[in-house]
Amino acid sequence: GAGVSQSPSNKVTEKGKDVELRCDPISGHTALYWYRQSLGQGLEFLIYFQGNSAPDKSGLPSDRFSAERTGGSVSTLTIQRTQQEDSAVYLCASSKPRNEQFFGPGTRLTVL
Amino acid sequence: DQQVKQNSPSLSVQEGRISILNCDYTNSMFDYFLWYKKYPAEGPTFLISISSIKDKNEDGRFTVFLNKSAKHLSLHIVPSQPGDSAVYFCAASASYGGSQGNLIFGKGTKLSVKP
Repeated sequence: GAGVSQSPSNKVTEKGKDVELRCDPISGHTALYWYRQSLGQGLEFLIYFQGNSAPDKSGLPSDRFSAERTGGSVSTLTIQRTQQEDSAVYLCASSKPRNEQFFGPGTRLTVL
Repeated sequence: DQQVKQNSPSLSVQEGRISILNCDYTNSMFDYFLWYKKYPAEGPTFLISISSIKDKNEDGRFTVFLNKSAKHLSLHIVPSQPGDSAVYFCAASASYGGSQGNLIFGKGTKLSVKP
């Protein structure tokens, strides 16, 4: 498909474990964003990539969260030592310069 | 401190009538505004946008109005259809085009259109 894809679609993990979430942006989109939506909340910005660099990491809630992007394409969001408050839907979006963002279906993370 | 506020968590409208979804913002640097629609278990889908140089943008049944002095925008859906039932998110950016930076989202308004 031509859209943004994310994997896994669902992830259940135990508190204290590390998780990796993957995002495949639309081909040709240089900008990539990670957001999360906690229960009853709006979308919360986490990090923005332009190419492989991240000029804006201001939304990462703690140093347990990190993200990388390789080859100007796939991005991985890693959460170390997960906590219950990390439970949320993690959404990835991509865009061309000066265009609207297209979102993937999200990864639902549940930390037990 | 919420920079983008959608004060109505839900809205119920009869099919064929107008749906009006409201959004307020506090940051005067915002110059690009978007509406996204979200169905359960799917990512948000872009609906319509408006830049701060305009006060109205129309696309089919969807019209977005921007009142910069009031820091308020609204989305009008006319006529409303049952398939419009979804959560609608208002978003804002401090530069034209989402790829210049992150979008700040409101908490969403759940629209229910009843047949």
